Parts: sequence; C-alpha cells; structure tokens
Amino acid sequence: DTGVSQDPRHKITKRGQNVTFRCDPISEHNRLYWYRQTLGQGPEFLTYFQNEAQLEKSRLLSDRFSAERPKGSFSTLEIQRTEQGDSAMYLCASSLGKTGFGNTIYFGEGSWLTVV
Amino acid sequence: AQSVTQLGSHVSVSEGALVLLRCNYSSSVPPYLFWYVQYPNQGLQLLLKYTTGATLVKGINGFEAEFKKSETSFHLTKPSAHMSDAAEYFCAVIRSGGSYIPTFGRGTSLIVHP
Repeated sequence: DTGVSQDPRHKITKRGQNVTFRCDPISEHNRLYWYRQTLGQGPEFLTYFQNEAQLEKSRLLSDRFSAERPKGSFSTLEIQRTEQGDSAMYLCASSLGKTGFGNTIYFGEGSWLTVV
Repeated sequence: AQSVTQLGSHVSVSEGALVLLRCNYSSSVPPYLFWYVQYPNQGLQLLLKYTTGATLVKGINGFEAEFKKSETSFHLTKPSAHMSDAAEYFCAVIRSGGSYIPTFGRGTSLIVHP
C-alpha cells in the first residue's frame, strides 16, 4: 500500500520561471487536496478535487496558480511567473470520501519550492 | 468560519515528563477535530481524531486528547515524553455540514530535553 507521493521533493527556481508539481494520491482515493505551508505556519488550504472536478479554490490560489486532476488520478499544481513569496512547501493529500466520516486525510511528504 | 488556536508556538519538556499541547477551536456546529504530527522535512501524520462518540480519544505513540465542548478545547497529552516525540504538532478542525476540508492551526513545536 503506497502512500501519497509527490515529485519533485525539492525545486529551486529563478523568479519568473514556471514550476510544476505532481501528486499521486493513494489508489482509489477520490478526494485530493493541495495545501501550502510556510516556515512556522500550519498548512493552508489551496484547492481540492473530488475525482476530476475541482470543487473549491482558496483565495490564496492566485491566477498564477493552476491545478488539474485529469481522469481523477494524479494531480499537478503549476505556478506561473514564480515570485519569492511563493517559496514554501506544497503538500498534497488524499482521502476516500469526506474527512470526518471515519475517513482520514493522508499527506505526502511535500514539495519544497525555493524561488531565488 | 471554523478555526483552531494553538496556544504556545513552542513547548519544552524533559524526557519522561507530561506533555500537554493546547488547542481551542471555533465552530458554531459540532466539529471534527484532529491532531497531526510533522517530523522535519516530512509530511503530516495523523495522531488521532475525534468525530463522534467518546470524548477521550486515544491515538498512536501513546498520545490522547479529550474533546471538551464546554471549553471548546481539544488538548493533546502524553503521560511521559520520549526524545522521539520532538516534532511539530498541528491541531485541525472540520466543520460538519460543510465541504469537510481541514483547517489547521499554526502548530506547536515540542522540544524534549534529555
């Protein structure tokens, strides 16, 4: 039973470049979440998918951010024209159905982004 | 909107001492509450959760938490700290009846001294 996997684990990019992160959820998990975490802070919700449908986006998700989940399997999070303020860890998580109904949300190990 | 407040960004204890990490929530409807642990450069791992039923919840690694509605609290405790418990701990809340997306607190860093 593989967990949530994220790639790459670390990315250093120059300001203005585009970056893309990939997340492979636990097999058969229909919900997939993206969070952002900066140093000294808790994870902040960005967006989530129910199967292939993106159902909710946070105000944190500016126009430079886009997420997809084609075919309801893996997901990608793309950041265009990166800014130094985008430096953070991007966490992906998945769950089988709504969390709280005995369903647990499982997190990946995160993708660290450093914008220089 | 639902939220959680974790009192104390850092908590320092001696090995073998009681661990108490505080979490208060804000929710107008019955919440689901969670504690997660994060080790350096890793993702979050679920310690325990409260959904319904018994208000004292036992989790992994000897941790437990008690849901107290009258105090809107969900404090995390462990009777005896181990060096391996040193990590960042996050409390999270989900408002029942919503989209069931966890909202996290800012975290408490647990430091364990030998």
